[in-house]
Amino acid sequence: AAGVIQSPRHLIKEKRETATLKCYPIPRHDTVYWYQQGPGQDPQFLISFYEKMQSDKGSIPDRFSAQQFSDYHSELNMSSLELGDSALYFCATELQGSSGNTIYFGEGSWLTVV
Amino acid sequence: AQSVAQPEDQVNVAEGNPLTVKCTYSVSGNPYLFWYVQYPNRGLQFLLKYITGDNLVKGSYGFEAEFNKSQTSFHLKKPSALVSDSALYFCAVRDNAGGFKTIFGAGTRLFVKA
Repeated sequence: AAGVIQSPRHLIKEKRETATLKCYPIPRHDTVYWYQQGPGQDPQFLISFYEKMQSDKGSIPDRFSAQQFSDYHSELNMSSLELGDSALYFCATELQGSSGNTIYFGEGSWLTVV
Repeated sequence: AQSVAQPEDQVNVAEGNPLTVKCTYSVSGNPYLFWYVQYPNRGLQFLLKYITGDNLVKGSYGFEAEFNKSQTSFHLKKPSALVSDSALYFCAVRDNAGGFKTIFGAGTRLFVKA
């Protein structure tokens, strides 16, 4: 079965640069979540989208922005990167109204800021 | 506000013995509860969930969890542990009273010794 696809899987950027992470949901899934997981930490919710509209917002820095496109894929844009932004960024998707409201995760994108 | 706690950073168990990974939660409405497992450098994999119905939920890889409303707990269990079960386990909660945000616990690292 198709899963959540994230790209790139690994990314190295320098401080103050910009990075863009992409998430392609499971087919028919209409909701996308972004999570950030620092080394040895639990996933922290950043932001979510439902039907291309922002649905909830967590601890996302002002330097970050995200959107969901007409094909339901989502992009997380990160500017003025800081060393502390180095983390594993997960995208997760679900189909609202489906039985159980289970969210499914991609394999994550490793961002290293040097 | 919803929250979830995993009181143990690490659980050690011998192969073949039963295992329990603890989770307690707090929500304002009725909870949706989930367990996810994370292997090194991988995304979170869904194990099982409680939405409604039977308090004992069976999931993937022989895992099960018991929902206890009075104790606000959702402990993960397995009758006989395998070395391959060694991983990081996350409990998660969503308040079905609204919102798109699933909150994760800090994670419990399970070590199964041969």
